[in-house]
Order: sequence, then structure tokens, then C-alpha cells
Amino acid sequence: DAKTTQPPSMDCAEGRAANLPCNHSTISGNEYVYWYRQIHSQGPQYIIHGLKNNETNEMASLIITEDRKSSTLILPHATLRDTAVYYCISASGTYKYIFGTGTRLKVLA
Amino acid sequence: NAGVTQTPKFQVLKTGQSMTLQCAQDMNHEYMSWYRQDPGMGLRLIHYSVGAGITDQGEVPNGYNVSRSTTEDFPLRLLSAAPSQTSVYFCASSWTGTDKAEQYFGPGTRLTVT
Repeated sequence: DAKTTQPPSMDCAEGRAANLPCNHSTISGNEYVYWYRQIHSQGPQYIIHGLKNNETNEMASLIITEDRKSSTLILPHATLRDTAVYYCISASGTYKYIFGTGTRLKVLA
Repeated sequence: NAGVTQTPKFQVLKTGQSMTLQCAQDMNHEYMSWYRQDPGMGLRLIHYSVGAGITDQGEVPNGYNVSRSTTEDFPLRLLSAAPSQTSVYFCASSWTGTDKAEQYFGPGTRLTVT
């Protein structure tokens, strides 16, 4: 299972795009990248996932590099409600999903 | 459709006591898992299951037992509680298949061991 690494914290101004990076240099060909976020002490919430193509949904966009060694989650217009811890994980057929410590995003008014 | 439910929401145990944290899902998901989250830390995988009768260990399995007799339920048993097991416990479920592994999380059980 690929290990992911993320910066521990980031700040973003309200209304601006938040770009959260994730390194997954050991990811294998069939492992999807999933992003979740956790607001306060609630259960994590799924955001988006992808394999090798860029993906977009109503919450965010996911950009995966061509070599698949890293990805970036983009929140196009961050709001104060986007303040949360964001987790990037890889999903393999072993089903042993490792979350790590994530990136604490603080959106500033 | 209740999603993933966990009981109890809060629990205080004395060292050495045992208890079972309950988790149920009504989405017919094959995959279920248990995580613990210590204050200020990320989630750590305790045990997981890919279907009834199948369980496996995660990152931190010691001190915990699980079983999966039905698709819907995945209880977590603490055999002899220790203060180091004070944590918030989250249960999650999803489909199997790496392209459908979006996990749905329960609200958590906050456990304190004194």
C-alpha cells in the first residue's frame, strides 16, 4: 500500500483557491487516490477520488500528475466552512486504508 | 437510510473492564472498518472486514477483537481496557473495489478509560 505525505498545515484567504498537495510516490498502477476532510471532531467526509485522470465534482477538483506520484486537491473558492483537516489516502486491493495525519487547512476571513 | 450508526456516543470505563462498541450500516456495504483517533492526531486503522466472516488487522490491532457475522454489523470489543485506549473510535463502511472505496463514517464513540 502506498504511503502518502502531506504538509501539516496551510492557510488560505476566504474566496481564494485552496491547493492542497499530496505526495504518493510509491503508488502502484491500480491504486486510487481518495481525499477526505474532517471538520472538528466529526467523522471524515469523502470529497473526491481518481486514478490518473483529473476529476471534478461539486466540492472540489483533483489534479493527478502524469507519473501519478503526487496529486493536488483544489477547493476553487474556499469559505470559512472549508476549515478542516484534509486527508489524502491511497486505496489498494488490500483494503488496508492508511489515513496519516493530514493537512490542517485554515481559511482566513 | 440511516447510513453508519455507532453506539454508544460516550463511554467511561475503568481500567481492566471490557466492553463492545457497536457499529451498523444499512447500505449493504461489503467493507467495514474501525479507526481510532487520539487528540490532535490522524486516524489509525484498527481492524477491517471485506465481508461476513472475514476480518483482518490494521495498524493498531492489539487489545481489540472484531467479528463480522452479518453484512450489517461490525462490533469492536475491548478485552481489558487500558488508559492508552482513551480515544475517539470511528466506524466506516464502503463497497469493495478500489474505484468504489468511498468510505462512509459514523459519528464516533468517545471513550475514556480511567
